[in-house]
Amino acid sequence: DAGVIQSPRHEVTEMGQEVTLRCKPISGHDYLFWYRQTMMRGLELLIYFNNNVPIDDSGMPEDRFSAKMPNASFSTLKIQPSEPRDSAVYFCASSLAGTAKAYEQYFGPGTRLTVT
Amino acid sequence: AQSVTQLGSHVSVSEGALVLLRCNYSSSVPPYLFWYVQYPNQGLQLLLKYTTGATLVKGINGFEAEFKKSETSFHLTKPSAHMSDAAEYFCAVSGTDSWGKLQFGAGTQVVVTP
Repeated sequence: DAGVIQSPRHEVTEMGQEVTLRCKPISGHDYLFWYRQTMMRGLELLIYFNNNVPIDDSGMPEDRFSAKMPNASFSTLKIQPSEPRDSAVYFCASSLAGTAKAYEQYFGPGTRLTVT
Repeated sequence: AQSVTQLGSHVSVSEGALVLLRCNYSSSVPPYLFWYVQYPNQGLQLLLKYTTGATLVKGINGFEAEFKKSETSFHLTKPSAHMSDAAEYFCAVSGTDSWGKLQFGAGTQVVVTP
């Protein structure tokens, strides 16, 4: 399996611009997670989906952030408008439901976002 | 609610020495426990897990961890450090409020010196 795929790997944008991060989970997985990692705050869960439905978005920092999962093989995280404090590495992870397997999350390589 | 505490944000070990990373958790129900490793510029990778059964679990790259319910601990060890073990290590506990959700610790950066 190709693993979790994220694109782009690096994104540099100016403050105020819209940013869209993309994720393709492992085929067959039915949980999808979006995380943000910074030196100051560590690893933060932003939102997660089960069977394409958002389950918990309490970690989404502001209304500027939105996430969608239109089908089982694709999800996006959008920031509009972006701000310098959004600079971070954003990870997507997926897992397969069914007892303890649901907690075995497989991470993508991340998207390093820099907002200038 | 569950929480995870990792003692020490940075650990330095000599090559060939014991690696010991400490993790304590709090949970209102029997937890599932995990250790993940993150190499530079990469995503997190599952190292090992405890769900049920044997309390000593073995993972990849010679690591193992022991679940001690009485101490609410899940410490990670490796008998002999290798230079390639330099990475950040995260302990995680299963959520009690939402199925599938993990609560991660703050991470421990491991430096291996020759």
